[in-house]
Amino acid sequence: GQNIDQPTEMTATEGAIVQINCTYQTSGFNGLFWYQQHAGEAPTFLSYNVLDGLEEKGRFSSFLSRSKGYSYLLLKELQMKDSASYLCAVLDSNYQLIWGAGTKLIIKP
Amino acid sequence: DAEITQSPRHKITETGRQVTLACHQTWNHNNMFWYRQDLGHGLRLIHYSYGVQDTNKGEVSDGYSVSRSNTEDLPLTLESAASSQTSVYFCASSEGSQDTDTQYFGPGTRLTVL
Repeated sequence: GQNIDQPTEMTATEGAIVQINCTYQTSGFNGLFWYQQHAGEAPTFLSYNVLDGLEEKGRFSSFLSRSKGYSYLLLKELQMKDSASYLCAVLDSNYQLIWGAGTKLIIKP
Repeated sequence: DAEITQSPRHKITETGRQVTLACHQTWNHNNMFWYRQDLGHGLRLIHYSYGVQDTNKGEVSDGYSVSRSNTEDLPLTLESAASSQTSVYFCASSEGSQDTDTQYFGPGTRLTVL
């Protein structure tokens, strides 16, 4: 079967750095997405990786290792508004998105 | 500005009733998707469409149907609502110009089936 694993919940301090991991086992791979979802709101796109390596976008970076079936989202200089769930999703061989259950990130002052 | 909207935002219905959730996008996107989101689960695909008159079943399509008569709309119908269909429903769209294009989500509809 297809599976995406992420930690259920993480806690971090305002101003710090946090890394949210995602491991996947899917039938094929055509890219990995990270989305942010604030409570009661829609998911919003953060990043897309299809090649190995690090993609940096402001305070957020996303890393991919296809050989290890592994990705992480790195958030720097955490702000209270970063409190949200972070969803990892993999595009499989049929170009369908397979979603993880999400990681709820709690930021403390 | 182009957008994707869903209506109603909240709906309470009774078991056995037919319910239709609307999704409308003004991006002129080819691809449209319906997901449900439940606590402890990732987003699960219900139905999707790659263009007018095209519809396909997703992972959890039983009890749901869609139709695509124009580019802008993909209504989701629950033929006979069941309590197991209590959930938050998200509609999404993507341009469809390439296989890996990004999906953009509507604000969601919270459906309660009593």
